[in-house]
Amino acid sequence: SQTIHQWPATLVQPVGSPLSLECTVEGTSNPNLYWYRQAAGRGLQLLFYSVGIGQISSEVPQNLSASRPQDRQFILSSKKLLLSDSGFYLCAWRGSNQPQHFGDGTRLSIL
Amino acid sequence: RKEVEQDPGPFNVPEGATVAFNCTYSNSASQSFFWYRQDCRKEPKLLMSVYSSGNEDGRFTAQLNRASQYISLLIRDSKLSDSATYLCVVNSASGTYKYIFGTGTRLKVLA
Repeated sequence: SQTIHQWPATLVQPVGSPLSLECTVEGTSNPNLYWYRQAAGRGLQLLFYSVGIGQISSEVPQNLSASRPQDRQFILSSKKLLLSDSGFYLCAWRGSNQPQHFGDGTRLSIL
Repeated sequence: RKEVEQDPGPFNVPEGATVAFNCTYSNSASQSFFWYRQDCRKEPKLLMSVYSSGNEDGRFTAQLNRASQYISLLIRDSKLSDSATYLCVVNSASGTYKYIFGTGTRLKVLA
């Protein structure tokens, strides 16, 4: 069966520090991969999605970037975090003709 | 107009009640529809896909009305454990990888 791993679960970072969140999927090949952010009390905002290695689509211009160095690995990064980057970050995967499935999420607080 | 719109609620219902949520979408080319459930401070989890002919899973019934561009979720015999936020999800257009999430409808089932 397929599983998705996302870490860390919680992260507290100072303003201006870098960020790297990692997501890996097991049990499937060539999944579509997604990064979302959910601000407190708000809906899910799609940040990036990827249909293959090295293929990244950005939905919202911002302080973040994404990379997909391997088929089942998706990384969210920032060089310098802003206060507005705080939120609940969710990675999701999707197989062919299937709905999305989410990782446990990372709760990021910027101080 | 938002691509996917939901009544935020909260819907406060007694145990055993029947409750229904609607979700409207703006893109008539959308082909994939889902309901997710999100508990407080947790990741969204797939509740059910929504098929053109309507579908049922235990106490949950989902329906699609293409003419009026809305989907619905009916919960019968509500349980305390049904308390959560219910997210409507629509793909942005036929054949695309991008999915749009509604901001969710909050349900509270009261003892």
